[in-house]
Amino acid sequence: GIQVEQSPPDLILQEGANSTLRCNFSDSVNNLQWFHQNPWGQLINLFYIPSGTKQNGRLSATTVATERYSLLYISSSQTTDSGVYFCAVGDNQGGKLIFGQGTELSVKP
Amino acid sequence: NAGVMQNPRHLVRRRGQEARLRCSPMKGHSHVYWYRQLPEEGLKFMVYLQKENIIDESGMPKERFSAEFPKEGPSILRIQQVVRGDSAAYFCASSPGVNTEAFFGQGTRLTVV
Repeated sequence: GIQVEQSPPDLILQEGANSTLRCNFSDSVNNLQWFHQNPWGQLINLFYIPSGTKQNGRLSATTVATERYSLLYISSSQTTDSGVYFCAVGDNQGGKLIFGQGTELSVKP
Repeated sequence: NAGVMQNPRHLVRRRGQEARLRCSPMKGHSHVYWYRQLPEEGLKFMVYLQKENIIDESGMPKERFSAEFPKEGPSILRIQQVVRGDSAAYFCASSPGVNTEAFFGQGTRLTVV
C-alpha cells in the first residue's frame, strides 16, 4: 500500500516564525489533504490539494504530484497554530485516506 | 450545513461490554469512513461504507468489530466484548464522492476500564 512520511516529526517555533512541513508519498495519488489536529483532538481541514498550490491566510500548500511530495507553509506562526499537522493521501482503490504520522508543532509566545 | 456529527463524544465501557458509536454524515454526503487513533499515533483506516453497503473493510479487526450504514439513520461502529486495547479515539469522516474532500467529526473517545 501507499506509504506516507512526514517531516519533521516535531517542531518548536517562536511566535512569528515561519515553517515548512513536508509530506512524501510512495505512489501516485488522486487525493491529498492537510489537517490540523488541535490540542482538543479536533481534526480541522486545511487544504484539499491533490496538485498545485493553494493559499488560505497565513497558510499555503503546494503538491508536486509527479515528484510525490507536498509542502505546507505556515507564516508568522501564532500560539494557536500549535498541535499536530497531518498529511493524508487517498489510495487509488476507493478513496480511503492513508495518514502520515504527523508533525507536532509547538509555538512558544 | 451541519458538519459530521458523532456521538457520544466520550464513552466509558467495562471490559466485556459492547460499545456503539454513531456517525451522521454531512448533508449530501453518501460516503462514510471510520478511522481509529491510538494514543500518540496517527489515524488508521478501518472501514468505508456507502448506504447499505460495506465497500472496504480491510482495516477492521477480524473479530468483535462491525459497521453498518443503513438506508435510514446514522452509521454505527459496533465493538463487542471490548478490551483495554480498544481504548482509542474513533473518528468518522464523510465525503460526497470518491477522491473528494473528506470532513471529519469530532470523534468518540472510548475508554475501556
